Amino acid sequence: DTAVSQTPKYLVTQMGNDKSIKCEQNLGHDTMYWYKQDSKKFLKIMFSYNNKELIINETVPNRFSPKSPDKAHLNLHINSLELGDSAVYFCASSRPTGNANTIYFGEGSWLTVV
Amino acid sequence: LAKTTQPISMDSYEGQEVNITCSHNNIATNDYITWYQQFPSQGPRFIIQGYKTKVTNEVASLFIPADRKSSTLSLPRVSLSDTAVYYCLVGSYNNNDMRFGAGTRLTVKP
Repeated sequence: DTAVSQTPKYLVTQMGNDKSIKCEQNLGHDTMYWYKQDSKKFLKIMFSYNNKELIINETVPNRFSPKSPDKAHLNLHINSLELGDSAVYFCASSRPTGNANTIYFGEGSWLTVV
Repeated sequence: LAKTTQPISMDSYEGQEVNITCSHNNIATNDYITWYQQFPSQGPRFIIQGYKTKVTNEVASLFIPADRKSSTLSLPRVSLSDTAVYYCLVGSYNNNDMRFGAGTRLTVKP
């Protein structure tokens, strides 16, 4: 059973299009995240939700809009896609482990904008 | 939020022990240290977590000195399949700002 699943795994689309990436976790975690990993391999946090509420909204263009219909889902919608949006997008969730947090990642969604 | 500093890259050979050190000078009293491993084309995965002294599991050991301003991930007898990027994170249970540093790219050679 996949703990954090995201779809699609691969997405190739043209500039200007709107696309969504869906994420679901079956771990019962309260917190979910979206990370972006670009060609330089830096893993940057984009958003963090706790119990469906936005906790962290990094310096991300407002073309990116996360939606959390319930605490098991955190979808990412991207409007007016640009070439620079090409990257791997990772969804993740976390739970407290004792006094710390442990993050569980999905397998990633490879977005290519042409 | 405690910032972390790691070497950008390390090379090793199969069968050697590898030690990767992470500096976190402004670690808070409640913060734990967690290490993640990322293989190419996969998301990072949890390796080990600790607060002080030494923690060991089936994959690695984590050494944390008394001042907790650094930590060392130790991988015993690495193999080619240990080639990956290793990240250390510092935070506590109520901190949802889980930011990753640049990580250490470990390359294991035959």
